[in-house]
Amino acid sequence: NAGVMQNPRHLVRRRGQEARLRCSPMKGHSHVYWYRQLPEEGLKFMVYLQKENIIDESGMPKERFSAEFPKEGPSILRIQQVVRGDSAAYFCASSPRDRAPYEQYFGPGTRLTVT
Amino acid sequence: GQNIDQPTEMTATEGAIVQINCTYQTSGFNGLFWYQQHAGEAPTFLSYNVLDGLEEKGRFSSFLSRSKGYSYLLLKELQMKDSASYLCAGLYSGAGSYQLTFGKGTKLSVIP
Repeated sequence: NAGVMQNPRHLVRRRGQEARLRCSPMKGHSHVYWYRQLPEEGLKFMVYLQKENIIDESGMPKERFSAEFPKEGPSILRIQQVVRGDSAAYFCASSPRDRAPYEQYFGPGTRLTVT
Repeated sequence: GQNIDQPTEMTATEGAIVQINCTYQTSGFNGLFWYQQHAGEAPTFLSYNVLDGLEEKGRFSSFLSRSKGYSYLLLKELQMKDSASYLCAGLYSGAGSYQLTFGKGTKLSVIP
């Protein structure tokens, strides 16, 4: 059973470009969480999605950031017009049940570097 | 927000025992996680405490005191491969869902 997959593992973007980060949950999991880890900082919750629904986006910056989890395909975290401060590791986690972050499994992360 | 506090760094000797402490805000608290994260890798689950007391799992044990807002992770018979960051995370309810709030992590260095 494959774990949580994220791609790309490393992404370099110039300021002003768009970044798209993908997360494929574990088989049988329909709940996805996105976290951001800034250098020397803890993981910070961004958004919690179920298939075709955003359940909780209280940790998401109000501008430039969006997330989706379509019926088919991976979850996408999209950052428009990236700035240097967006450089971080972005982790997604999946769980099999509703409101069950105690059963989260993390992906390997995408390291975004904005130049 | 819910502050999760843990030491930034610790050093311990191979074969020894080390205790990593964590304090958290109790309002809205539902449970306490510990994760291990090697540099450049994903966090991996170590333990989840809901009730007061000690949970033992092999060389790792985790303790929780809900009244004191305190937890610790105990690592016994330290091995070099235990060098990693250890993340304390509180599970909090709010905004219609549960959220994990992480501390900044404790970087543990195991030396020969």
